[in-house]
Amino acid sequence: QQQVKQSPQSLIVQKGGISIINCAYENTAFDYFPWYQQFPGKGPALLIAIRPDVSEKKEGRFTISFNKSAKQFSLHIMDSQPGDSATYFCAASLIYSGYSTLTFGKGTMLLVSP
Amino acid sequence: DAGITQSPRYKITETGRQVTLMCHQTWSHSYMFWYRQDLGHGLRLIYYSAAADITDKGEVPDGYVVSRSKTENFPLTLESATRSQTSVYFCASRGLNIQYFGAGTRLSVL
Repeated sequence: QQQVKQSPQSLIVQKGGISIINCAYENTAFDYFPWYQQFPGKGPALLIAIRPDVSEKKEGRFTISFNKSAKQFSLHIMDSQPGDSATYFCAASLIYSGYSTLTFGKGTMLLVSP
Repeated sequence: DAGITQSPRYKITETGRQVTLMCHQTWSHSYMFWYRQDLGHGLRLIYYSAAADITDKGEVPDGYVVSRSKTENFPLTLESATRSQTSVYFCASRGLNIQYFGAGTRLSVL
């Protein structure tokens, strides 16, 4: 059973545009929602994370929007740049409930065209 | 060098052979993880460890064995490699709520 569904699988955005990646989860007990960024040939790295008591978190050009009632969260990349081209994974966890593991979405390959 | 390192980076083996992938971290993090990454499946957890001598199964543990005799090392062994285990393997450790990933091992089983 896939607990975190991510869409789209791939995305092409023009330079300067907004990239939007969506995730939906099933377990209402999840208490931590990170996004990881992975460049080719590298391991994933934490990009930004949010807890469910906050509806939005912004770090530079990256924003997480969180909708608890809809059990959805999304990553917005403003003014997308070619250097943002990477694979993005959303994830969810019960980390504040004492569990250690992350459940990942299947990933979105983002290509920002010059 | 501080961080998390995996070796080898690339490995080609044959069906039925035993293969061990190494993972070493210098932060003394308690938690360590092994994932496999396959196109269309994202990152799937194989095994994880909460501390030395404490390990637990993840989503896809069949065909894999782990051990953790020291906090800093978490090797993953494929006891009898199969073609379906061709994948990119990532090791990670957790500090606070952040998982730090190694650069990965690309394994091909012929």
